[in-house]
Amino acid sequence: DTAVSQTPKYLVTQMGNDKSIKCEQNLGHDTMYWYKQDSKKFLKIMFSYNNKELIINETVPNRFSPKSPDKAHLNLHINSLELGDSAVYFCASSQVPMGGGHYEQYFGPGTRLTVT
Amino acid sequence: RKEVEQDPGPFNVPEGATVAFNCTYSNSASQSFFWYRQDCRKEPKLLMSVYSSGNEDGRFTAQLNRASQYISLLIRDSKLSDSATYLCVVNLRGAGKSTFGDGTTLTVKP
Repeated sequence: DTAVSQTPKYLVTQMGNDKSIKCEQNLGHDTMYWYKQDSKKFLKIMFSYNNKELIINETVPNRFSPKSPDKAHLNLHINSLELGDSAVYFCASSQVPMGGGHYEQYFGPGTRLTVT
Repeated sequence: RKEVEQDPGPFNVPEGATVAFNCTYSNSASQSFFWYRQDCRKEPKLLMSVYSSGNEDGRFTAQLNRASQYISLLIRDSKLSDSATYLCVVNLRGAGKSTFGDGTTLTVKP
């Protein structure tokens, strides 16, 4: 059973298009994340949702819009794609204790987005 | 200054070598600490948590020094399969805020 799944795994599209990436977790976790890993392999958080509420939005262009229909899903919609959006996008989830603290994150396999 | 800084690497070591990675963090509100491993073209996965008392898991030893805001990972008797990127991760107090270091790449050669 896949704990955190993402679709699609690969996405090749042209500049200016709009695309979505879907993420689902079956771990019962209350917090989900989107990360971007660029060509230099640096992993940067984009968004974090806790119980369907946005709690972190890290200076991401508003062309990126996350949506969490329920605790188990966090989708990422990207409008007007640009060349610089090419990267691997990872979804992750965790169960965060009250007050934060010690929790690990479980990552999906990643979506490799190429904008041409 | 970055919130989490790691040795830039890369580290190229022979099989059987001992290698140590260092990581410093700047936010004193940091609450928990981890090492993750990321293989090429794969997702990051938890390697081990890091506790103040130090903790060991087989050939891997992690250490935390809160006073110096410093975390380390020691790998003994390196195997070819240890080749990967190692990510230092720091969680702040409060929900959902983790900061990843830029990673240190290890290549173990025969």
